Order: sequence, then structure tokens, then C-alpha cells
Amino acid sequence: GQQVMQIPQYQHVQEGEDFTTYCNSSTTLSNIQWYKQRPGGHPVFLIQLVKSGEVKKQKRLTFQFGEAKKNSSLHITATQTTDVGTYFCAGRRYGGSQGNLIFGKGTKLSVKP
Amino acid sequence: DTGVSQDPRHKITKRGQNVTFRCDPISEHNRLYWYRQTLGQGPEFLTYFQNEAQLEKSRLLSDRFSAERPKGSFSTLEIQRTEQGDSAMYLCASSLGDRLANEKLFFGSGTQLSVL
Repeated sequence: GQQVMQIPQYQHVQEGEDFTTYCNSSTTLSNIQWYKQRPGGHPVFLIQLVKSGEVKKQKRLTFQFGEAKKNSSLHITATQTTDVGTYFCAGRRYGGSQGNLIFGKGTKLSVKP
Repeated sequence: DTGVSQDPRHKITKRGQNVTFRCDPISEHNRLYWYRQTLGQGPEFLTYFQNEAQLEKSRLLSDRFSAERPKGSFSTLEIQRTEQGDSAMYLCASSLGDRLANEKLFFGSGTQLSVL
């Protein structure tokens, strides 16, 4: 079945350092979404990427969707303590079930002030 | 509060007991999802509804699990004969749109189930 893998599982950074998490799918995706879950909270939608090679920015966050639509990345520039949380990518398999949004295991980011 | 609400927030039960959780989606949302999340893992898809119709169910979902959305508004998730492996956070999410593939999910705060 479809799998969505994320690396690294954990990332500890000093405030002000950059952070990147990578997401890889075993199958081609119709789109990919990114969610953030703060400690003790629930996942909150950040962004969706649909087109091959698409790049989107939200302030210090840059999201990319690979040319083959099988991988994606999230890059945070100059991390802040408010960036702490777990970042999940989630995708739907191209041509597959559209109700089943498959989540990766997430990358847990901690930021040392 | 107009977000997705779930009740109860926490549930402790003994193995073998039945439990039921409720989810109230955002009022105009026509799709409702149930996910399960354990520590250190991403949300795992269980099932989803479009209005009152249950359109998809995970193959991983045991027949002890049943979900309903009788009037296309709130939904309930029942687990019969609970097992310790059922301990998890049960998340409900809802979405709106006519193109499922592009819809973003709004999650509730979840129900934390502990089976002793």
C-alpha cells in the first residue's frame, strides 16, 4: 500500500538556525498537504501543493513539491520558539482513494532559545 | 467556537467495555473523517463520510469499530469489546468542498482513550 515517509524523525535546533524536513512517497501523489501539531494539540493545516515542481512560501516557511510528485520538503528559515511542534506531510495517491489522506510519521522540531 | 468539537476529551475504560465518542464538525462541512493517532505516529485514517454516507473504511479497521453519521451532521465512533491496543487519540476532522482531492482537513482536539 501507499506509504509516506518523513525524515528526520526529530530535529533539535538553536533558535535562529534553519530547519528542513523531507517527505517521500512510494507512489505518485495527486497533491500533498502539510500540517503542524503543537505539543498537546491537534494537526492544523498549513498548505497544499498540487503541481509538479511547485514552490510556495509562507513568511519563513518554504514548501516544495517534487517534479515526479513523489516527494516534498518544508524549510523554515531562522527558526523561532513558536515553530516548535511536529510537522506532518500528508498525501493522496494519484488515481487512488481520495478519501484516504495518508500521513507521514512527522518530524518533531524542538528549538532551543 | 465554530471549530470541530469532540466529546469526551478523555476516556478511561476497562478492557472488554464498549465506548462511544462523538464529533460535531464545522456546521457547513459535508465531509467528516475519523483518524487514530498513537504517540510518535502520524494520524492513521479510519473512515470518512460524505453527508450521511460512509464512503470509505480502512482495511485496518476491526469489525469492533463502527461509525455513524445519521443526519449528515454529528458523527459517533463506537468501539466494542475494547482492547489495550485500542488506546490512542481518536481525531475527528471535517472538510468542505466539491473536489475531495483538494480539501484541507480541520481537526478537532481529539478523544484520548486509555484501555486498562
